[in-house]
Amino acid sequence: GIQVEQSPPDLILQEGANSTLRCNFSDSVNNLQWFHQNPWGQLINLFYIPSGTKQNGRLSATTVATERYSLLYISSSQTTDSGVYFCAALPNYGQNFVFGPGTRLSVLP
Amino acid sequence: NAGVMQNPRHLVRRRGQEARLRCSPMKGHSHVYWYRQLPEEGLKFMVYLQKENIIDESGMPKERFSAEFPKEGPSILRIQQVVRGDSAAYFCASSRRDRGTYEQYFGPGTRLTVT
Repeated sequence: GIQVEQSPPDLILQEGANSTLRCNFSDSVNNLQWFHQNPWGQLINLFYIPSGTKQNGRLSATTVATERYSLLYISSSQTTDSGVYFCAALPNYGQNFVFGPGTRLSVLP
Repeated sequence: NAGVMQNPRHLVRRRGQEARLRCSPMKGHSHVYWYRQLPEEGLKFMVYLQKENIIDESGMPKERFSAEFPKEGPSILRIQQVVRGDSAAYFCASSRRDRGTYEQYFGPGTRLTVT
């Protein structure tokens, strides 16, 4: 089945810094989502982005399906951005999203 | 528009008891997915259901676990004879799957503790 990898596994930033999180997938995908799991465990939808680029405030995402990766950009990070960021890919042949292992982000004041 | 609802939010069971977890999808969603998350780990797919049908249960343990999504009412994930290793957060997500839309929305999760 499809493999989904994320990098880096852990990231520590000072408040105000920018960062790029990467998601690689091993097979063609129909769809891709980014989620933020906050320190209270809630999973929050960030982007539904099978291809192209989307922006929402300080966050933006780009998926290049032909090259099998997606990037999540966080600009001017805030302490509330801390948590784990997951990408999830839906393979062309599959029924279900497969989650990556996540990137744990800590933003320090 | 209410989001995905899960209850209970916290559940404590002794070894050998049964656990029943409930999930009500978002309005207009007829597809439900269950995931398990062990502490400090990612989400593992368990089962995908549509109303009255199990579409894919490839991630669900063969014994003690079952899931249903009846025509009326919430989806239920049932764990019989729980063991300590079942302690985890169980998340439910729902989606539409028409017009090429597959976006999943998650509920708040049920945290199961087996003592």
